[in-house]
Amino acid sequence: DIQMTQSPSTLSASVGDRVTITCRASQSISTWLAWYQQKPGKAPKLLIYKASSLGSGVPARFSGSGSGTEFTLTISSLQPDDFATYYCQQRDSYPYTFGQGTKLEIK
Amino acid sequence: EVQLLESGGGLVQPGGSLRLSCAASGFTFSSYAMSWVRQAPGRGLEWVSAISGSPGSTYYADSVKGRFTISRDTSKTTLYLQMNSLKAEDTAVYYCAKDFFAFDIWGQGTMVTVSS
Repeated sequence: DIQMTQSPSTLSASVGDRVTITCRASQSISTWLAWYQQKPGKAPKLLIYKASSLGSGVPARFSGSGSGTEFTLTISSLQPDDFATYYCQQRDSYPYTFGQGTKLEIK
Repeated sequence: EVQLLESGGGLVQPGGSLRLSCAASGFTFSSYAMSWVRQAPGRGLEWVSAISGSPGSTYYADSVKGRFTISRDTSKTTLYLQMNSLKAEDTAVYYCAKDFFAFDIWGQGTMVTVSS
């Protein structure tokens, strides 16, 4: 199985900050990577698919990059609505696996 | 409007069974792969099972293989997850998700609690 490792596990930041979350795959997954945002008590929401394509209705301050084994999610200017937990997911092969999550907290 | 609505969760004893349903609307159900994803209390997301579009190949996480069965009824546009031999570690919110390059649409989730 492909293991996905996110860093950091927790990130403290302020409104207006630029933040980056990293996701590493245990083997190459080309660009078969997605990013999701989840708020407490809610279902996850798709942000990015195929490593860098923006999901429907997702604000342009979110961007994704990377290929192979290393990927990043960047939020260019944090907004109050962005404080949540973020997950990466590999979609190269079953079993599809998620990273452990990154909790983005208000500093 | 594209929508997924799960049902069927509840409290069940260890060793028991439960069938989850996910009613889909607003898209051509038979054309898309579908998955179940679960989240134990306070934990991260875990992919559980998937079924492709027609003819419907199935895939399972090792943690549920041999105990859970995914299926779909295209006439009812409904996805199912039959869960047998349930264990305490299966306690989680179960989400169904539509798969189009990623899980682009999610249901609201249904809680399954396995406890005596």
